[in-house]
Amino acid sequence: DAGVTQSPTHLIKTRGQQVTLRCSPKSGHDTVSWYQQALGQGPQFIFQYYEEEERQRGNFPDRFSGHQFPNYSSELNVNALLLGDSALYLCASSVNGFNEFFGPGTRLTVL
Amino acid sequence: GENVEQHPSTLSVQEGDSAVIKCTYSDSASNYFPWYKQELGKRPQLIIDIRSNVGEKKDQRIAVTLNKTAKHFSLHITETQPEDSAVYFCAARGNNRLAFGKGNQVVVIP
Repeated sequence: DAGVTQSPTHLIKTRGQQVTLRCSPKSGHDTVSWYQQALGQGPQFIFQYYEEEERQRGNFPDRFSGHQFPNYSSELNVNALLLGDSALYLCASSVNGFNEFFGPGTRLTVL
Repeated sequence: GENVEQHPSTLSVQEGDSAVIKCTYSDSASNYFPWYKQELGKRPQLIIDIRSNVGEKKDQRIAVTLNKTAKHFSLHITETQPEDSAVYFCAARGNNRLAFGKGNQVVVIP
């Protein structure tokens, strides 16, 4: 079992561009949550996907969107990138939201 | 929404001593309280968790206590070792989402 995996590891974009991050959950997990972690801060909840639908959403603008596929993998899309979007983006998988296991994250830098 | 606060922000302890980190939460409906350890440049790792119907849980040198009335929970690490040095995050789950605290930097001095 490879655990939670994310791709890419690092990404550099310029303001205004769009980005797609990917996550594969741990085997047996059906729920995927996305978090943004700024330097020196705790993870901030973006949204959670369950049964291919967005179940909950945090205080993030509509520029942040996502998707969950039938195999439970998920994507996070961010449009019109801002400098402030630079952060570590973490994906966590679980069974119905309990015992979340985090992936290694994608480090996004917006220039 | 849920608001989680952690105290203290930094904690230094001598190797072998105990460390205690306290968190408070605001939403009385929150029902699940995990603790994560994050080493520099690595992912947060779940180290222990507790549900709202339990007051205390222990796993070797780590324990968590929950006081629902006061809406606070604490992480206790006994016999600290250098490898316990990391940032520790508490979180509270309410309304299908986890709200994290800002983290505590724990430094174990050999």
